[in-house]
Amino acid sequence: AQKITQTQPGMFVQEKEAVTLDCTYDTSDPSYGLFWYKQPSSGEMIFLIYQGSYDQQNATEGRYSLNFQKARKSANLVISASQLGDSAMYFCAMREPSGGYNKLIFGAGTRLAVHP
Amino acid sequence: GAGVSQSPSNKVTEKGKDVELRCDPISGHTALYWYRQSLGQGLEFLIYFQGNSAPDKSGLPSDRFSAERTGGSVSTLTIQRTQQEDSAVYLCASSLAYADTQYFGPGTRLTVL
Repeated sequence: AQKITQTQPGMFVQEKEAVTLDCTYDTSDPSYGLFWYKQPSSGEMIFLIYQGSYDQQNATEGRYSLNFQKARKSANLVISASQLGDSAMYFCAMREPSGGYNKLIFGAGTRLAVHP
Repeated sequence: GAGVSQSPSNKVTEKGKDVELRCDPISGHTALYWYRQSLGQGLEFLIYFQGNSAPDKSGLPSDRFSAERTGGSVSTLTIQRTQQEDSAVYLCASSLAYADTQYFGPGTRLTVL
């Protein structure tokens, strides 16, 4: 079974609007971490936001917020006020103890296009 | 401060040749990771270093792949007798300590002809 599922291969959004990128995960560990990374066309993976499984509140970092629904095993990324520079691939990733906690398991990614 | 750096940024080689890819982690980061990103397989973990030792090599796809880390800093990923299926982007990441957030370098794009 897929550990991390990103069901949207591509998304587009108008500049200045909000967009939600979906991510569901599968783990039986009670302690795990969820990450979102951005990969622009230059290729570098840029860390955006982290959510721990025991965190009581949804993580936020500037225009990025994580809609964490533990019972549904989803960790959707919300980008508010989209900018042209947000056009990139976005990857959801998980770290779990049974995987050694030292490796990230990535989803297939979602390509976001921001239109002016 | 300086991020993770990797060299070369691009490498084209012929099938059967050996290649070495280099990673310089963020200064002070004790943990270092190698991943591979290919069209067919997505992003895959290869190996993890804590200091100079590699407690997890579970992602190395074959014995043609090896890696070392010296001085708790620079790491080299070596691929011997390259095959066309080795063509991919090889990404290096580092973290301050085990289980901390991983920060990635720009990657090395390897093309095996």
